[in-house]
Amino acid sequence: NAGVTQTPKFRVLKTGQSMTLLCAQDMNHEYMYWYRQDPGMGLRLIHYSVGEGTTAKGEVPDGYNVSRLKKQNFLLGLESAAPSQTSVYFCASRTGGLHTEAFFGQGTRLTVV
Amino acid sequence: DAKTTQPNSMESNEEEPVHLPCNHSTISGTDYIHWYRQLPSQGPEYVIHGLTSNVNNRMASLAIAEDRKSSTLILHRATLRDAAVYYCILRDDPNQFYFGTGTSLTVIP
Repeated sequence: NAGVTQTPKFRVLKTGQSMTLLCAQDMNHEYMYWYRQDPGMGLRLIHYSVGEGTTAKGEVPDGYNVSRLKKQNFLLGLESAAPSQTSVYFCASRTGGLHTEAFFGQGTRLTVV
Repeated sequence: DAKTTQPNSMESNEEEPVHLPCNHSTISGTDYIHWYRQLPSQGPEYVIHGLTSNVNNRMASLAIAEDRKSSTLILHRATLRDAAVYYCILRDDPNQFYFGTGTSLTVIP
C-alpha cells in the first residue's frame, strides 16, 4: 500500500516555464489537498478537491491550477513559474467524514530560478 | 477555521514527558481540535484529535480544558524520534484544513 505518492520529488524550473506536479493516492479517498511550505513557515492551502471532477480554491491559489479527472489523482499546474513559487509542495488525501485522518505525501521540492 | 496560538519552540529531555500547549480562545462549539506533527524533511502525520473529552492513543494524549479555550498535547515519554514541528489545528469545515506555524520540539539526549 503506497499511500500518497508525489511526482517528481525535486525539480528546478526557469522563470516562465510550466510544469505539472502529480499526486496519486491508492486509498480511494474522496478529499485531496495541495499545500506549499516555505522555510520556517507552516503549510498553506493552495487548492483542494472534495471528489472526482471538483476543485476549489484555498488560501493561496494565485498562479496555480488544479485538476481532478480521476479520483486517485490530483494535479497541480504552474503555467508560468515565478521565483516566488519556489517552495516545498505537499499533497494530502483523506476519506469522507468530518474528522478523518489526512495522509500526506513526502513532498516535492521546487526551485524556480 | 479558528485561530490557534502555540509557542514557537520547546525543549525536552529524552524519556521525560512533554506537554505542548495550544490556545484557542475563539473556539466555537463545533470546532474539533486536531494535532499533526511534521518530522524533518517529511510530510505531516496525524497525531490525535478530540472535541471535549480527553483522548488517548498509542502516540499521545490530548487534554482539553473544560472551557475548551486551550488544550495540551502530552507525549508521555519523549524519544529522539519525537523531534518535530507539532501543529494544533481547529476544524469545523470538512472541506478545508489550515495549518499554523506550530511548535518546534527539540529532544535532548
